[in-house]
Amino acid sequence: EVQLVESGGGLAQPGRSLRLSCAVSGFTFDDYAMHWVRQVPGKGLEWVSGISWSSTYIAYADSVKGRFTISRDNAKNSLYLQMDRLRAEDTALYYCAKDNRYSSGYFTYFDFWGQGTLVAVSS
Amino acid sequence: NFMLTQPHSVSESPGKTVTISCTRSSGDIASNFVQWYQQRPGSAPTIVIHEDKQRSSGVPDRFSGSIDSSSNSASLTISGLKTEDEADYYCQSYDNSNHVVFGRGTKLTVL
Repeated sequence: EVQLVESGGGLAQPGRSLRLSCAVSGFTFDDYAMHWVRQVPGKGLEWVSGISWSSTYIAYADSVKGRFTISRDNAKNSLYLQMDRLRAEDTALYYCAKDNRYSSGYFTYFDFWGQGTLVAVSS
Repeated sequence: NFMLTQPHSVSESPGKTVTISCTRSSGDIASNFVQWYQQRPGSAPTIVIHEDKQRSSGVPDRFSGSIDSSSNSASLTISGLKTEDEADYYCQSYDNSNHVVFGRGTKLTVL
C-alpha cells in the first residue's frame, strides 16, 4: 500500500523558516518524481514544486521561487521542502504527491497524495 | 505559462449528466495531457481521469474525459449522477518546462 505522510507543519512568524518532510512507503521511491502541492483552506490547489527521481530536474512555482527549496533523500525514502522567508500568503495545507511517470525527468500528474500538513504564517 | 479556466460551480440532479469544462488560455490543449482530480471535503484529492480520457483504477465508467481542440478545452463528464459524486473537481496539466498547472476547481452539487 502506497503511503505518504507529511510532517513539519506548524505556526511560523513572517520571515522565518519551516522544513516540511514527507515519509514514503509502498513503492520504489527513487523511481519517481515527487511534488509539493498546497491548498489554502477553502480554496483551490496550487502546485508548489517538483523534483525528479534523481534530483536532476527541479522546478518551482513563481510564487515560491527563491524562497523554497525542494530536496529528497532516496536512501531515507523522504521528500523535503525548506521554506524560508515565509509570508502570510504561504499559509496553507501542504500535500506531498507522487508523480505517475516512471524514471523520467518530466513531470506529469499525481497518482498518490498524502493527507497534508498545515502551515500557518502569522505574527 | 498558461492558465486553466473552470466554471466555479455546477449543479445537477441525481441520475442526470453533468459536464465540467477546463479551457486552456494559451497553447494547444492537446500538447500536454489533462488530468482530473476529485476532492471531497476534508480529504486529499484523488485522481479520476488521467491522460485526457483514461479512467483511474476503481473509478466507475460513469466518469469520462475528453478534449476538444476547437475550443481548446478539456471536459469531465459524469453520467448517472449520484450524491456521492458531490465534490470539488480540478483539472490539471503541465508544460514542457516542468511546470504543473491546476484549474481553480469546480464545485459540483448534486441536488
